[in-house]
Amino acid sequence: AQSVTQLGSHVSVSEGALVLLRCNYSSSVPPYLFWYVQYPNQGLQLLLKYTSAATLVKGINGFEAEFKKSETSFHLTKPSAHMSDAAEYFCAVSANQAGTALIFGKGTTLSVSS
Amino acid sequence: DAMVIQNPRYQVTQFGKPVTLSCSQTLNHNVMYWYQQKSSQAPKLLFHYYDKDFNNEADTPDNFQSRRPNTSFCFLDIRSPGLGDAAMYLCATSGSQGQGVIPVGYEQYFGPGTRLTVT
Repeated sequence: AQSVTQLGSHVSVSEGALVLLRCNYSSSVPPYLFWYVQYPNQGLQLLLKYTSAATLVKGINGFEAEFKKSETSFHLTKPSAHMSDAAEYFCAVSANQAGTALIFGKGTTLSVSS
Repeated sequence: DAMVIQNPRYQVTQFGKPVTLSCSQTLNHNVMYWYQQKSSQAPKLLFHYYDKDFNNEADTPDNFQSRRPNTSFCFLDIRSPGLGDAAMYLCATSGSQGQGVIPVGYEQYFGPGTRLTVT
């Protein structure tokens, strides 16, 4: 079975500061990992995904994430926060096995102050 | 632009009064999903269609039903909404590998959601 734990339900940063959103996964088989962003009253938008091709994954809007198997982590980072990054971020995992559903973490709300 | 559309964006219904939410897609994807997302929680998969094959999650209440009359449209029917069913309902689609089950590693494309209020 797969599961995802997002550490920290709320993260606050200043504009221009580093953004670090933490995600740890559990999977009995090689996982696919995803980060989605959700703006208020909107659906989810894919930021990036890990599919075993490269451990450092670059996504949209300047975000990137690094897959670390030894730490079972897939943390999301952005060097410099922008006000428009304020949103809810979800980490998700699915097994590398057809027929298994996407499992979402509980989400982290990112606040950006000026 | 190819997209996933949900109507209405906001729906108010009365306790016990049936309600239908709709989703359409222009992506021509085989797989369509319905998620329930309650406030400050992760999306929870209710069921999905692979083409016309319906797949219910084990813990989805019988009160929730779905129809997919064609590739483009999918409907979520709540037969007797309770106060606990107030939530955001998200429709999503994905391509597939032709295996007849949820594909591995495929991105899911989400609609903007329908926020359901039950009075």
